[in-house]
Amino acid sequence: RKEVEQDPGPFNVPEGATVAFNCTYSNSASQSFFWYRQDCRKEPKLLMSVYSSGNEDGRFTAQLNRASQYISLLIRDSKLSDSATYLCVVNHGGYSGAGSYQLTFGKGTKLSVIP
Amino acid sequence: GAVVSQHPSRVICKSGTSVKIECRSLDFQATTMFWYRQFPKQSLMLMATSNEGSKATYEQGVEKDKFLINHASLTLSTLTVTSAHPEDSSFYICSARTALAGGPDTQYFGPGTRLTVL
Repeated sequence: RKEVEQDPGPFNVPEGATVAFNCTYSNSASQSFFWYRQDCRKEPKLLMSVYSSGNEDGRFTAQLNRASQYISLLIRDSKLSDSATYLCVVNHGGYSGAGSYQLTFGKGTKLSVIP
Repeated sequence: GAVVSQHPSRVICKSGTSVKIECRSLDFQATTMFWYRQFPKQSLMLMATSNEGSKATYEQGVEKDKFLINHASLTLSTLTVTSAHPEDSSFYICSARTALAGGPDTQYFGPGTRLTVL
């Protein structure tokens, strides 16, 4: 089983739509979780961390289900500029100095927002 | 905060030459930096983990004598691709590990170096 699994897509959605991405991870000891976005031919950029209670940043909502080892990202009111590949990222370590650190990247889910 | 620079952004070289790529953390110190490679339409592939003041840890299948890593200071790591060949043409991206505002450790990426070996 792959350590971090994502649906590769592509997800083609119209502007203004709501879209959700899912991700599962295999290591139950994983401590921290992130979503990155990567534009074509660019480096990955941190979009948001994912907290146990769920968290929101503008149009983006991230949720974590530790029991099911599942992470989600919801994008509301999609914009053309949201078109990118979204990477689910899992860290087996935790806060600085707390145990081991190993960041594992999913292969990404491609989103295309269409006018 | 957490800005990482990478230089050069693009390089074209002849087969057999060596290419050096620099990665700098601009506003923080990074004891650990990472080097990745990404081929077109493929996912990131971790090449090695670079620790300040010690030898890099290479992933399986990555030749340490071909991809020389030096992490001489808390803000600088370099990757040298020795005797480059066309199959080494790729997008090389570095990242640095840090935590912001008491949050969890994560990685911030440089803008990448696009290497083309003729």
